[in-house]
Amino acid sequence: KAGVTQTPRYLIKTRGQQVTLSCSPISGHRSVSWYQQTPGQGLQFLFEYFSETQRNKGNFPGRFSGRQFSNSRSEMNVSTLELGDSALYLCASSPKDLAYEQYFGPGTRLTVT
Amino acid sequence: AQSVTQPDIHITVSEGASLELRCNYSYGATPYLFWYVQSPGQGLQLLLKYFSGDTLVQGIKGFEAEFKRSQSSFNLRKPSVHWSDAAEYFCAVGPRNQAGTALIFGKGTTLSVSS
Repeated sequence: KAGVTQTPRYLIKTRGQQVTLSCSPISGHRSVSWYQQTPGQGLQFLFEYFSETQRNKGNFPGRFSGRQFSNSRSEMNVSTLELGDSALYLCASSPKDLAYEQYFGPGTRLTVT
Repeated sequence: AQSVTQPDIHITVSEGASLELRCNYSYGATPYLFWYVQSPGQGLQLLLKYFSGDTLVQGIKGFEAEFKRSQSSFNLRKPSVHWSDAAEYFCAVGPRNQAGTALIFGKGTTLSVSS
């Protein structure tokens, strides 16, 4: 099976802009989670989607949002970008009945200038 | 507050030597426990997990971890390290009996392997 894919892999944006990142889970996986990884804060949970519904949400401002489509693909959006949003954004997918067995994609490296 | 502590930020081990990476957690009840590895420029790969049962769990690449409830610890071990094991290692916990996949990660331990 193909692994989790994330596009784009690298992105440079200017402060104030918005950005959309995409994640395609492993075929058959219905849960998609997003994490932000920074040198200072480490790995932090953003949100999780299951069957097109947000099931969990981390402690991030409303500028961070996401959605999941009927084919389980997911997107996350960050509006009004700030310098502190520069990070590696990781997506992970899980099989329905093994929700904690998460498989991570390679991430999208976002740089905000 | 729920948290995961990895006391060692950076560890250097000689190739062929044994390895132990420490992980302690603070949680209301025994959570699910995980170890992930991240190579430079890559995502995270699951090494092993503990859900219940035998407290010594075996993972991929020759790694094992032992869950000690009394110490709230889940240390990762490998008897003989290979140069390809150089990477960053993350311990993580997740709540039981709750729908969802929100993991709490430690800050990670960077492993360097010397020849």
